[in-house]
Amino acid sequence: GQQVMQIPQYQHVQEGEDFTTYCNSSTTLSNIQWYKQRPGGHPVFLIQLVKSGEVKKQKRLTFQFGEAKKNSSLHITATQTTDVGTYFCAGLQAGTALIFGKGTTLSVSS
Amino acid sequence: DGGITQSPKYLFRKEGQNVTLSCEQNLNHDAMYWYRQDPGQGLRLIYYSQIVNDFQKGDIAEGYSVSREKKESFPLTVTSAQKNPTAFYLCASSIVGTSGNYEQYFGPGTRLTVT
Repeated sequence: GQQVMQIPQYQHVQEGEDFTTYCNSSTTLSNIQWYKQRPGGHPVFLIQLVKSGEVKKQKRLTFQFGEAKKNSSLHITATQTTDVGTYFCAGLQAGTALIFGKGTTLSVSS
Repeated sequence: DGGITQSPKYLFRKEGQNVTLSCEQNLNHDAMYWYRQDPGQGLRLIYYSQIVNDFQKGDIAEGYSVSREKKESFPLTVTSAQKNPTAFYLCASSIVGTSGNYEQYFGPGTRLTVT
């Protein structure tokens, strides 16, 4: 069946280091969304990418959608302690519901 | 104050009992969703509904049931047939567009413990 794989599962960084999480789909996606879940909280929408090769930035966060629309990445520059949480990608294939990856849990030590 | 509400935040039940989790939204969204979250498993779709009186099974629908009698409400019943019901349950909603569904808004979740 359709799958969205996300790596790594866990990542620990020192404050100020960069962080990247990768998302890969077995099928071509209509769009990809990214969510952040703080510890003890619920997922919150960050961004949606629709176009092949699209790159979007939100302050220190950079989101990319692959040319083949099968992969995506989220890169955080100079992490801060406020970045801790689990980051999920979620892919949408035409006619189906969103499929979430298992998430990457980021921890940051100061 | 618009949003999605789920109640209660924590719920405890004895094995063999059915339990219904509530989800209400006042965002006027057509689509609503139920997810189950277990440690290390991400979000797994249980059921979703894109219109009143219609819903579809997700990846792990066995042992669960839903209804969508009103646009604002999408309750989830965890039946005694669900083998491992202890989990964190998240409800979400979104608008539905011509190019697919849009961003999902999540409720605060209900943590169900069955002993």
